[in-house]
Parts: sequence; C-alpha cells; structure tokens
Amino acid sequence: KAGVTQTPRYLIKTRGQQVTLSCSPISGHRSVSWYQQTPGQGLQFLFEYFSETQRNKGNFPGRFSGRQFSNSRSEMNVSTLELGDSALYLCASSLDWGEQYFGPGTRLTVT
Amino acid sequence: DAKTTQPTSMDCAEGRAANLPCNHSTISGNEYVYWYRQIHSQGPQYIIHGLKNNETNEMASLIITEDRKSSTLILPHATLRDTAVYYCIVRVVPTGTASKLTFGTGTRLQVTL
Repeated sequence: KAGVTQTPRYLIKTRGQQVTLSCSPISGHRSVSWYQQTPGQGLQFLFEYFSETQRNKGNFPGRFSGRQFSNSRSEMNVSTLELGDSALYLCASSLDWGEQYFGPGTRLTVT
Repeated sequence: DAKTTQPTSMDCAEGRAANLPCNHSTISGNEYVYWYRQIHSQGPQYIIHGLKNNETNEMASLIITEDRKSSTLILPHATLRDTAVYYCIVRVVPTGTASKLTFGTGTRLQVTL
C-alpha cells in the first residue's frame, strides 16, 4: 500500500507571497492532519480534516488554512508569508482516530 | 492530553537493547501511550501504542507500569538505523480531538558501533 505523499518536497517563496501544499493520504484513510516543524517550536499541530470537514484546529493564525477533497486529498494554504513560516510541513493520515502515518514533508523556505 | 517527560538524549551500542523511558504521571484512564520516532529530516514514524497492557510488534515492545504513570519503549537489538528522535505521546481516543498529536522534545537516541 502506498504511503502518504506530499508535494512539492521543497519550496522557496518570498515574504508576502502565498503557498499551497498538497497531501495525498494512504488509500482508505479519511483523516488528514497537518503539522509544522521548526527548530525553535518543534512539531506543532495545525489542523485536521475528516470527510472534508475541519475537525480540529491548532493555535495558528488565520493565514494558515486548509481543505480536504472528496477523495480525502488535502491542501494547506499559507497566505502573506512571513520569514517565520519557514519550516518543514508534515501531513499525516489515519483511518479515523487511530495511529497517524506521516509523509516525508514539504520544506518551505521563505526569503 | 497529559504531559510527558523524556530524557533529552541516550546512547546505545549496536546490537544491544535500547530502553527509552517516558514519564506521564498525570495520565488519565482513557489516555493511550503512543511512541513515534523521527529520523533526521523525515516524517515521524509510528512505532507502537498501548493503554495498560504491555504491547509488542515487529519494531518494539512497550512496557507500561501498573499505575500507568510511566512507560518504557524497548528496541530489542538496536542498529545504526534506529538513530532518531523518539517521541512519547499520550492522547485520548476516540474523540473529536483525538487526532491531534502533541509532540514534546523527545529523546535523541544515538546508536553507536
């Protein structure tokens, strides 16, 4: 069974721009969660989608948003990028509440 | 979710058992103990989880104390490829918020020759 895939793997953006990251979950998984990892803050939960609905949300500003499609694929968007948004963005999928399986991440650099 | 405490780092010789402790003294009855690891620059990898009984799978064993206030992850025969940061997480399942994983700083395990 194919694992979680994330695209793109690397991305360089300029302050003020916006970015969209994509995540394809493991087949059959309906829950997709997003995390941000930085050296200073570690791994932090952004939000989770289940059956196209946001089910849980972390403490991030409204510039961070996401959505899930009917095939469970998910995207997250960050608008008005700041230097501090440079991070590894990780996507994880699960059947429902069970163990989460993570993708390789998208490394975003904001200059 | 209950807070966990782990040592910052540990060393282990290749071929020996690696025993990684985790303290979760405020764990409640409906919280599970999960272990993940993250090899440098990769996504975290699920290892094992348990509620109150000891668990074993092809990767590791999880020993939870009877009072559930602490647990130990055991990698029976550590290899260099087990060098990673290991995260102990407690979470309530199943609820609408159960999907959230709260990562601490973890234990950096270095396996050496």
